[in-house]
Amino acid sequence: AQTVTQSQPEMSVQEAETVTLSCTYDTSESDYYLFWYKQPPSRQMILVIRQEAYKQQNATENRFSVNFQKAAKSFSLKISDSQLGDAAMYFCAYYSSGGSNYKLTFGKGTLLTVNP
Amino acid sequence: GAVVSQHPSWVICKSGTSVKIECRSLDFQATTMFWYRQFPKQSLMLMATSNEGSKATYEQGVEKDKFLINHASLTLSTLTVTSAHPEDSSFYICSASKQHTEAFFGQGTRLTVV
Repeated sequence: AQTVTQSQPEMSVQEAETVTLSCTYDTSESDYYLFWYKQPPSRQMILVIRQEAYKQQNATENRFSVNFQKAAKSFSLKISDSQLGDAAMYFCAYYSSGGSNYKLTFGKGTLLTVNP
Repeated sequence: GAVVSQHPSWVICKSGTSVKIECRSLDFQATTMFWYRQFPKQSLMLMATSNEGSKATYEQGVEKDKFLINHASLTLSTLTVTSAHPEDSSFYICSASKQHTEAFFGQGTRLTVV
């Protein structure tokens, strides 16, 4: 079974600074997707960024970028120029597309605080 | 964009009654939908995966007879909590998969059983 590990329960960053959230996963599959979701206090899950495992190039979305290391099974999220609105719970997720057994599995999350 | 609508956003019910939660993909066809349960300050726990027209696949430890899932069409999946008890009180979230490459979430349903 696939597992997703986020080793940082909480992180804090100063406004305008950069922060990196860690995520590792365990899988025997070669084809899969990885995501970072943001959950603000409203509890609405918001997709931040996605990465296809077959792509070597790291995904980037404005101030958000990932460092995808497939061999190491690592998928960290970097937030540049942090803003107060970035404060939220961040979840790393693995989407298994092995055969017909589709499954979206989450890590335990990292609570990000942005200090003014 | 891809929009998933979940209804109701909150519900209070009496112990022993059943509650149905709907999850609709509004602008795309979702062959697979996921149902999650989330306790306060915790992660999303996958309850089951449903595919249109077939039986749902439940995660270990999730009672099939208690949490009935129906995926009747490519845009609608429902979760029915049967004979609800206070311990079933939680936040339930659905997610719809778009071509098995992305997953979009509903707003969630806060269920309180009294």
